[in-house]
Amino acid sequence: DGGITQSPKYLFRKEGQNVTLSCEQNLNHDAMYWYRQDPGQGLRLIYYSQIVNDFQKGDIAEGYSVSREKKESFPLTVTSAQKNPTAFYLCASSIGWDPRYGYTFGSGTRLTVV
Amino acid sequence: EDQVTQSPEALRLQEGESSSLNCSYTVSGLRGLFWYRQDPGKGPEFLFTLYSAGEEKEKERLKATLTKKESFLHITAPKPEDSATYLCAVQGRGSNYKLTFGKGTLLTVNP
Repeated sequence: DGGITQSPKYLFRKEGQNVTLSCEQNLNHDAMYWYRQDPGQGLRLIYYSQIVNDFQKGDIAEGYSVSREKKESFPLTVTSAQKNPTAFYLCASSIGWDPRYGYTFGSGTRLTVV
Repeated sequence: EDQVTQSPEALRLQEGESSSLNCSYTVSGLRGLFWYRQDPGKGPEFLFTLYSAGEEKEKERLKATLTKKESFLHITAPKPEDSATYLCAVQGRGSNYKLTFGKGTLLTVNP
């Protein structure tokens, strides 16, 4: 079955560490996204990529980095520069700009700073 | 800048008690309005896309409608398994592929 796989499901980070969240899709979607979800807030866009080897900053990109070397993969690195990284991170993909099918989301990674 | 406001923040219903959730939006040229369902600890699940005022879509006990300023998600005779957070999002013509999400409505249906 096609879908998006995020790993790990839970991640613990020490102060000053960089951590990388994995996102893989087998839907043959061109566009991929990273959102952050905090309690009581809407999903906020971190980065998005419309095509391989190209990506753009979203609304809250500071302290994060991404790469898009393969169509299937869009990993997110949370750097030590991110002041408040504890959150639920969601990866999504879509068929280009066509809104008919919305986004397909992964099951999320919960990151906690310890 | 696209904006989405959902109300109420939380809604508690008895099984079988119908109600509606509201999504008010401002967007520069609506390309699509989306409804998602999110269960605790999981990613959102796509429900509907609406494109233009007057459009309606249905799925089981859910019916989504759209006007030029807001969308409603009507829940008819809800069951406990309908309990979830319902998210509304918009895609504007000037926003590339991006969706702007509201904060969601937490629906609880008691048996």
